[in-house]
Amino acid sequence: AQKITQTQPGMFVQEKEAVTLDCTYDTSDPSYGLFWYKQPSSGEMIFLIYQGSYDQQNATEGRYSLNFQKARKSANLVISASQLGDSAMYFCAMNERDAGNMLTFGGGTRLMVKP
Amino acid sequence: EAEVAQSPRYKITEKSQAVAFWCDPISGHATLYWYRQILGQGPELLVQFQDESVVDDSQLPKDRFSAERLKGVDSTLKIQPAELGDSAMYLCASSPHPVASVYNEQFFGPGTRLTVL
Repeated sequence: AQKITQTQPGMFVQEKEAVTLDCTYDTSDPSYGLFWYKQPSSGEMIFLIYQGSYDQQNATEGRYSLNFQKARKSANLVISASQLGDSAMYFCAMNERDAGNMLTFGGGTRLMVKP
Repeated sequence: EAEVAQSPRYKITEKSQAVAFWCDPISGHATLYWYRQILGQGPELLVQFQDESVVDDSQLPKDRFSAERLKGVDSTLKIQPAELGDSAMYLCASSPHPVASVYNEQFFGPGTRLTVL
């Protein structure tokens, strides 16, 4: 079974609008972390935001926020006020304490921002 | 700003040849990771180091891949012999957090893109 599922292979968004990238996860470990990374065409992975399983509030970092719904096991990334530079691949990832805290990545979503 | 360094950035080799990739983590980061990313997919962990010790290499194809971090700083990943299916991006990441920490923000290098002909 997939640990991390990103069901949107590609998404378009109009510049300055908000967009939600979906991520669902599967774990029975009560202690885990959820991460989002951005990968531009240049290839480097850029850390965006983190949510811990025990965090009561949704994480926010500037224009990025994580919509954490624990019961539904979803951790969607919301990007507000999209910019052309947001065009990239976005990966959701999870680590689990009982699995040695190794990161497992989803298949990614390609976001394209239209001017 | 401190960065993870990797070299070479690009490598083209013929199958059955040996290749090696180098990674220098951010200074002070005890934890180091090697990932393989096949085009169109997410990265997959190959090996994880805490200082000079291998924490997990269960996904490393040990018949042809080896990884070392002898002094607990920089690291080398080697493939011998390379196969066509090894064509991928090889990413190195480091973290200031120990392996035991669930908060495990990892900082990635630019990667080495390997093409095996």
